[in-house]
Amino acid sequence: SQTIHQWPATLVQPVGSPLSLECTVEGTSNPNLYWYRQAAGRGLQLLFYSVGIGQISSEVPQNLSASRPQDRQFILSSKKLLLSDSGFYLCAWSVSRTKNIQYFGAGTRLSVL
Amino acid sequence: DAKTTQPPSMDCAEGRAANLPCNHSTISGNEYVYWYRQIHSQGPQYIIHGLKNNETNEMASLIITEDRKSSTLILPHATLRDTAVYYCIPSIGTGNQFYFGTGTSLTVIP
Repeated sequence: SQTIHQWPATLVQPVGSPLSLECTVEGTSNPNLYWYRQAAGRGLQLLFYSVGIGQISSEVPQNLSASRPQDRQFILSSKKLLLSDSGFYLCAWSVSRTKNIQYFGAGTRLSVL
Repeated sequence: DAKTTQPPSMDCAEGRAANLPCNHSTISGNEYVYWYRQIHSQGPQYIIHGLKNNETNEMASLIITEDRKSSTLILPHATLRDTAVYYCIPSIGTGNQFYFGTGTSLTVIP
């Protein structure tokens, strides 16, 4: 069966520090991968999605970047965190372009202080 | 992508059916309607989706109006564990992106 792993579960970082969040999927090949952010009390916002290795589409210009170095690995990064980067970050995957059922990880709660 | 309108909150008595409405009057002909829920501090969970026919699975039923401008998610026998935010999301599928709104916060009351 397919599983998705995200880590860490919680993270507290100072303003100006770098960020690296990792997401991996097991049990499937060539998944579509997604990064979402949820600010406190808000809905989910799609940040990046990827349909293959090295293929990244950005939905919102911001202080973050994403990379997909391997088929089932998706990384969210920042060189210098801002206070506004705080939030709940979720990784998701899907395998069928027609059904587009996305499966989400447990998320990383990031606090930038 | 179609915009959606959902009531911000609803209550439901435990054991009763929960009916969650969604208006998606600008939905296009090739957009499916997906429903997800998010229990507090967890990732969203897929519930069900449909194009124009009513659908049922082990979690819920989805009723889509004939003109496809609205739909209703039905949890037949709500339990306390169904307390969550429910999102209605039109998507063409092949586009792969989901645009989550603010959803409906359902509280199941004992």
